[in-house]
Amino acid sequence: DARVTQTPRHKVTEMGQEVTMRCQPILGHNTVFWYRQTMMQGLELLAYFRNRAPLDDSGMPKDRFSAEMPDATLATLKIQPSEPRDSAVYFCASGLVQELAGVYDTGELFFGEGSRLTVL
Amino acid sequence: DAKTTQPPSMDCAEGRAANLPCNHSTISGNEYVYWYRQIHSQGPQYIIHGLKNNETNEMASLIITEDRKSSTLILPHATLRDTAVYYCTRMKTSYDKVIFGPGTSLSVIP
Repeated sequence: DARVTQTPRHKVTEMGQEVTMRCQPILGHNTVFWYRQTMMQGLELLAYFRNRAPLDDSGMPKDRFSAEMPDATLATLKIQPSEPRDSAVYFCASGLVQELAGVYDTGELFFGEGSRLTVL
Repeated sequence: DAKTTQPPSMDCAEGRAANLPCNHSTISGNEYVYWYRQIHSQGPQYIIHGLKNNETNEMASLIITEDRKSSTLILPHATLRDTAVYYCTRMKTSYDKVIFGPGTSLSVIP
């Protein structure tokens, strides 16, 4: 049963420390999204990639957040330095976009179980 | 800007149909309507999507108005396990910025 895998599931760290969250998208998917969820803000889109290239990262605080896809099987979200306001659940989602004769066929997004980050 | 509007909460009696509305009055011709749900703090789960026609799968039915400005997700026989937050979202055919709004918190009551 294919699924999106995120690590770590839980992370507690102190303010100022670097945090790296990892996501393994479903094999063959070409689109990866990073979301952050808090009670106050709900699900916020941070960044997304197509074929490993970043398409939009306007939702990320640029000074401390960075997102990359070193290869097709790994997406990373890094926070340096972390702050208490970064405490949230971070979700990764992957999907497959295919183009046939100029028409895009989108499928569903598959979400991981999330990485719960607590910054003290 | 989620560009969809949903009621913040709804109740439904167990065994009855749950009808969850969504307004997407500014939807463009190439945008699908997608529905997801999130149970507790799990990752959102896909339910169903459609472009123009009504759709049905093993989980739910999706009714889209003829003008495409609104839709309704129908859970035909709600169970306690359907208690969740339901998100209606618009997705262009090229996966451009999938935005989630606050959703509707559905409570299925015994």
